[in-house]
Amino acid sequence: SAVISQKPSRDICQRGTSLTIQCQVDSQVTMMFWYRQQPGQSLTLIATANQGSEATYESGFVIDKFPISRPNLTFSTLTVSNMSPEDSSIYLCSTHMGGEETQYFGPGTRLLVL
Amino acid sequence: AQSVTQPDIHITVSEGASLELRCNYSYGATPYLFWYVQSPGQGLQLLLKYFSGDTLVQGIKGFEAEFKRSQSSFNLRKPSVHWSDAAEYFCAVEDTGRRALTFGSGTRLQVQP
Repeated sequence: SAVISQKPSRDICQRGTSLTIQCQVDSQVTMMFWYRQQPGQSLTLIATANQGSEATYESGFVIDKFPISRPNLTFSTLTVSNMSPEDSSIYLCSTHMGGEETQYFGPGTRLLVL
Repeated sequence: AQSVTQPDIHITVSEGASLELRCNYSYGATPYLFWYVQSPGQGLQLLLKYFSGDTLVQGIKGFEAEFKRSQSSFNLRKPSVHWSDAAEYFCAVEDTGRRALTFGSGTRLQVQP
């Protein structure tokens, strides 16, 4: 199965600051996805990131708050900007690998905003 | 838009007992359906998936799920639960156009000794 890594695994940040989360995949993939899991909640899609094009954001998520980069076929970053305590969540990246229809997930980044 | 409903927020079963977690979906076409498990402090692990064909699918850790189109359901089952099965279980449907997942709200499973 896929190997997907994320950095950092967890962080504690002050409100008003920004954090960039990295997602690395061990093979080339077309689409990468970023999800948010708020405390005690399910996962919600933030955006879809394709290499060479702008990310596509879901309703309720905007590029100014969650800018995404996709510089190549194995890497993506999600930045959580101007953070507030409401941004405290687990952020997960995912992708389809090996031509499969199944989405595999990274281990997640646990973010706490004080 | 597609949606997924997991009506049971929290389920407690005794170790060795059978388990069924319910999942209902709403999707306009033939769905791609998944069950994922999230153990405390862990990432998401795929248990099983349904794309087409046999409506009873087998997964890892002794889990199985049955797709019932007439009921728009994809319930997860296990004949004998182990203490290590205590976790959060998520049902999800894939939008085959956008290839993104919509998740249910999750069911937290507690296993009593």
